[in-house]
Amino acid sequence: DIVMTQSPDSLAVSLGERATINCKSSQSVLYSSNNKNCLNWYQQKPGQPPKLLIYWASTRESGVPDRFSGSGSGTDFTLTISSLQAEDVAFYYCQQCYTTPITFGQGTRLE
Amino acid sequence: EVQLVESGGGLVKPGGSLRLSCAASGFTFSDVWMTWVRQAPGKGLEWVGRIRRKIDGETREYITPVKDRFIISRDDSKKTLYLQMNGLKSEDTALYYCTTGVGPGYEIWGQGTMVTVSS
Repeated sequence: DIVMTQSPDSLAVSLGERATINCKSSQSVLYSSNNKNCLNWYQQKPGQPPKLLIYWASTRESGVPDRFSGSGSGTDFTLTISSLQAEDVAFYYCQQCYTTPITFGQGTRLE
Repeated sequence: EVQLVESGGGLVKPGGSLRLSCAASGFTFSDVWMTWVRQAPGKGLEWVGRIRRKIDGETREYITPVKDRFIISRDDSKKTLYLQMNGLKSEDTALYYCTTGVGPGYEIWGQGTMVTVSS
């Protein structure tokens, strides 16, 4: 199974400041067929289901504010929130979709 | 409106069985692969398994801890996904979500149904 490891586990950022969450996979999630990384990012607020933010490592889902961006390739990925807003306080999860079983990172609490 | 609504959760004794349902609306259910994801109280997300479309053979995949106990099925005529859970263990206690997407990510999620395994 591909192990997804996020860092840090918890992050405190001031409003308006940049937040960076890292995700490392135990093996590459790069599809050679289309040169895309099968890596997604989700946001989950208390009492709500997860919400897809980023797919293919760097493509924003429709309706997601452009302060959210994803980067990285192979085994190392980053989710960046350029200017933290109050509504961004949540848990964030990376997920690899390269192979089954699909696996998630352990989550990062952003406060 | 695109929607997934889970039902069927509850309290069950260890070794018991439960069947969860997930009713879909607002999209062509038969066109998508469907997935179950669970979240134990206070914990992270865990992919449980998925079922492909009929044209893809309706093949199923599961995580190892459940593959001999859980069965995912679908009824495209009813636009409903199922999760039959047998031999339940305390570690199966979780909020169970059904989810799907047309791309690599899961864009559509239900609100989840809670399963508690306890004597």
